[in-house]
Amino acid sequence: QKEVEQNSGPLSVPEGAIASLNCTYSDRGSQSFFWYRQYSGKSPELIMFIYSNGDKEDGRFTAQLNKASQYVSLLIRDSQPSDSATYLCAVNRYNFNKFYFGSGTKLNVKP
Amino acid sequence: DTEVTQTPKHLVMGMTNKKSLKCEQHMGHRAMYWYKQKAKKPPELMFVYSYEKLSINESVPSRFSPECPNSSLLNLHLHALQPEDSALYLCASMGTGGPTGELFFGEGSRLTVL
Repeated sequence: QKEVEQNSGPLSVPEGAIASLNCTYSDRGSQSFFWYRQYSGKSPELIMFIYSNGDKEDGRFTAQLNKASQYVSLLIRDSQPSDSATYLCAVNRYNFNKFYFGSGTKLNVKP
Repeated sequence: DTEVTQTPKHLVMGMTNKKSLKCEQHMGHRAMYWYKQKAKKPPELMFVYSYEKLSINESVPSRFSPECPNSSLLNLHLHALQPEDSALYLCASMGTGGPTGELFFGEGSRLTVL
């Protein structure tokens, strides 16, 4: 079983819609959860991190965490073509330097 | 300012060459990382330095040799590489957000081995 699992996509949404990206993890000791955006040929860029159950909002982005279900999601409201990228989910645990990455979900936002 | 600087951005080398990748951060972060990323794959951990000491080596072949001269610098020395080592090499440092810290990546060094 992989540490972090994501649907590889592609996930296609029309411009202006809500994109919903999902991630599950296997280690119940995981404490921090991250979403990175990666454009083709570029390095991953941190969008958000969350460590408490519930929702965390930052502009058009909302991260949701449910530790009981071992589930993390990222919602992108009012999706724009510039949001088209691969979104990587990552997890980490306290006092542990190893970050586990999912395989990424490719998002296509169609104009 | 969260910035990790990597040089060179592009590197082409032959299988008999010796070259180095360099990474620098001035955010006071105490853990630094090397990742390798192939096309359409997630980053794959290679090495972690914590407080300038090697703390994780993910069974990387000895043709890759990391070095951490000080808390701001991280090098990756390359020797006798194979064409399959061609990839994007990412340096990252770990910040202090949340309970575990977050990773900040540099722009990467794209390596081509001929």
